[in-house]
Amino acid sequence: NAGVTQTPKFQVLKTGQSMTLQCAQDMNHEYMSWYRQDPGMGLRLIHYSVGAGITDQGEVPNGYNVSRSTTEDFPLRLLSAAPSQTSVYFCASSYPSGLGTGELFFGEGSRLTVL
Amino acid sequence: GENVEQHPSTLSVQEGDSAVIKCTYSDSASNYFPWYKQELGKRPQLIIDIRSNVGEKKDQRIAVTLNKTAKHFSLHITETQPEDSAVYFCAGNQAGTALIFGKGTTLSVSS
Repeated sequence: NAGVTQTPKFQVLKTGQSMTLQCAQDMNHEYMSWYRQDPGMGLRLIHYSVGAGITDQGEVPNGYNVSRSTTEDFPLRLLSAAPSQTSVYFCASSYPSGLGTGELFFGEGSRLTVL
Repeated sequence: GENVEQHPSTLSVQEGDSAVIKCTYSDSASNYFPWYKQELGKRPQLIIDIRSNVGEKKDQRIAVTLNKTAKHFSLHITETQPEDSAVYFCAGNQAGTALIFGKGTTLSVSS
């Protein structure tokens, strides 16, 4: 199993450009999520999905869109990039147990710089 | 929604000492409290977790305790080693699904 795969690993954008961060998992996990990590701010939840066709907003959803057309893929779209979106982005997935949330498996991260 | 507060933000200990990191949460419906370790330049990885029907869990040198009444949980690392140096994150699950993380604690273990 490859686990959680994110692409690209590095990206530089100009203000106003749009782009999509790709995330795929091969573990048949129902739950997928996107976080951004900024110094001193921890991991902040952007959007998450509990299954194909279902998405919900997290703590910092503004400026980002997601969709979940398949169990495997959960792309994150930046509609009009701003310097405040410069960050490291992590995709994560888990297979919820009967008691709720299970262990999150993270991708390697995508470092995005917006000039 | 869930709000998770973590402290201290930095912690320095001597090798062999114990380290304790504390977190509080706001959502009384949260039932899952994991701890993640992130080494520099790496992805976060789960080190231990606890569910709301358990008060304490131990795995070798690390342990987690949960006080549901007070809505706080703690990570305890005994006999610290230099390789324990990393950023540690606690989390709680909002509405039983989405994990909300604390801001992290940078642990430095000096030999």
